[in-house]
Amino acid sequence: TQLLEQSPQFLSIQEGENLTVYCNSSSVFSSLQWYRQEPGEGPVLLVTVVTGGEVKKLKRLTFQFGDARKDSSLHITAAQPGDTGLYLCAGTYSGAGSYQLTFGKGTKLSVIP
Amino acid sequence: NAGVTQTPKFQVLKTGQSMTLQCAQDMNHEYMSWYRQDPGMGLRLIHYSVGAGITDQGEVPNGYNVSRSTTEDFPLRLLSAAPSQTSVYFCASRGLAGGQNTQYFGPGTRLTVL
Repeated sequence: TQLLEQSPQFLSIQEGENLTVYCNSSSVFSSLQWYRQEPGEGPVLLVTVVTGGEVKKLKRLTFQFGDARKDSSLHITAAQPGDTGLYLCAGTYSGAGSYQLTFGKGTKLSVIP
Repeated sequence: NAGVTQTPKFQVLKTGQSMTLQCAQDMNHEYMSWYRQDPGMGLRLIHYSVGAGITDQGEVPNGYNVSRSTTEDFPLRLLSAAPSQTSVYFCASRGLAGGQNTQYFGPGTRLTVL
């Protein structure tokens, strides 16, 4: 079983602040995804990264994939209350079952107005 | 497109009772899966299927059965519910053809076992 470490587990910040969430594995990812989940709903895909060093931007969210494809980060600039939610990273690994996603435990973000 | 639908949304069972959580998708996806989500544990894979007639175990399969008789439906059965199965259950689907990497989740079923 692959282990995927996500940090921090909880984050409470003021509106307008910046923040970064981290996702790390001891194994090389084939691909890595970031999801956002709101209370009472299922996770929704934000982005998929597959190439080492890749950077993707989604409005105020910046996603980075490490050069060695063992880590990723999500940076939010000028956080807003609407960013509040649970952020999950999930990775796939090469080999049998390479389409299976292994999830981190999530980062619960609260943005205070 | 309805996407991924799950029923029921809420369920309370007594220990030892059985039930089936329903999941359906209308996107003709080959891959379907069931996860459970517990506080501080993220999502853990219970069972998955890569097509009709094919199922396999995930990380936490004990106490659960699945079947995949059609592409659209992937029910999850609890044969004898236990309090440890109190959780939120999510069904998900994705296509496996090249370039498809988006996994779509249903809205979840919140199960309480007394």
